[in-house]
Amino acid sequence: ILNVEQSPQSLHVQEGDSTNFTCSFPSSNFYALHWYRWETAKSPEALFVMTLNGDEKKKGRISATLNTKEGYSYLYIKGSQPEDSATYLCAAFSGSARQLTFGSGTQLTVLP
Amino acid sequence: EAQVTQNPRYLITVTGKKLTVTCSQNMNHEYMSWYRQDPGLGLRQIYYSMNVEVTDKGDVPEGYKVSRKEKRNFPLILESPSPNQTSLYFCASSSTGAGEQYFGPGTRLTVT
Repeated sequence: ILNVEQSPQSLHVQEGDSTNFTCSFPSSNFYALHWYRWETAKSPEALFVMTLNGDEKKKGRISATLNTKEGYSYLYIKGSQPEDSATYLCAAFSGSARQLTFGSGTQLTVLP
Repeated sequence: EAQVTQNPRYLITVTGKKLTVTCSQNMNHEYMSWYRQDPGLGLRQIYYSMNVEVTDKGDVPEGYKVSRKEKRNFPLILESPSPNQTSLYFCASSSTGAGEQYFGPGTRLTVT
């Protein structure tokens, strides 16, 4: 079982603040790193899938970076809005295990 | 519309009464999987399937069975449900195991 860890567990920020979360994963046998956004009463939806060391991806105000050598990824949200409130999940896919293992998520609340 | 469907969405049952949760996708995806979500534990993979007739255990397979007779369908079977299987279940599909996962709407199961 891969050990995928996310921090912090929860976060409250004010509207307009920028914020970031961390995902750490084993760097050996790494194949891909996923980020998902999960709103209450909905299903998780993919934000990014990254595979290469140094990858940076952006979608609107949300961006992510990947460091496969040290085994971490950051998710950044610029100028948080109340609609950004959700749980953000990361998941790592191991090439050897052929499994996608999720972290326990970071719950973000953006206060108006 | 590309989607993953699950049925039923909600189910309350009693210990020992066999049940099946269906999952179907219309995107011609090779990879399908089942997850359960419990508070504080994130999404944990139960079983996955790389292709038709190819299934493998995830991290928490005890008490569950699956089958993959057709590419589009991946039912989850609980032969003798127990209260510790009370959880929120998600089916997901992707073109490859490492690729973006598309999640179904979820099935909330309560076993009394």
